[in-house]
Amino acid sequence: QQQVKQSPQSLIVQKGGISIINCAYENTAFDYFPWYQQFPGKGPALLIAIRPDVSEKKEGRFTISFNKSAKQFSLHIMDSQPGDSATYFCAASMMAGNQFYFGTGTSLTVIP
Amino acid sequence: KAGVTQTPRYLIKTRGQQVTLSCSPISGHRSVSWYQQTPGQGLQFLFEYFSETQRNKGNFPGRFSGRQFSNSRSEMNVSTLELGDSALYLCASSIRTSGGYNEQFFGPGTRLTVL
Repeated sequence: QQQVKQSPQSLIVQKGGISIINCAYENTAFDYFPWYQQFPGKGPALLIAIRPDVSEKKEGRFTISFNKSAKQFSLHIMDSQPGDSATYFCAASMMAGNQFYFGTGTSLTVIP
Repeated sequence: KAGVTQTPRYLIKTRGQQVTLSCSPISGHRSVSWYQQTPGQGLQFLFEYFSETQRNKGNFPGRFSGRQFSNSRSEMNVSTLELGDSALYLCASSIRTSGGYNEQFFGPGTRLTVL
């Protein structure tokens, strides 16, 4: 059973556009929500993360929006660039443990 | 600080063989987790070790096992390989931050192909 559901599976965005990837979870015990970026042949790299006590976190062109009541969170990539083309994974974990549950990934392609 | 290293990077084995993969965590990180990544299933959690003890285990058959050494380095072993074991095996080390949550960092993975 998928603890974190991610959509869309793939996304094509024009350079300069906004890329939006959505995730939803069921377990209200989750209290840490990271996003990872993975390029072909590489391991996932931590991009940005949020705790449920804030509704938004921004780092450069990357923003996480968090809706605790809806149990949803999303990644927004502003001014998308071809170099952002990668697979993005959302994840969730509990502070009390160290097991991370991952979404199935979104393949983002930014076309020039 | 050096990142998570995994060896070997690529492996080709045949069905029925066994394989051992190695992971060296970031210096100071005591927790090591292993994941299997496949195109259809995404990242599936295998197990997590902390201070040489397995703390969490995913839903994989007993053919998948692991261990951690006193220097935090970890190995995972897969016995009686099956075609479906072909995947990218990722190791991640993590450390508890001052905020109380665990930040996890991944290695480049070992690409296992079973023929």
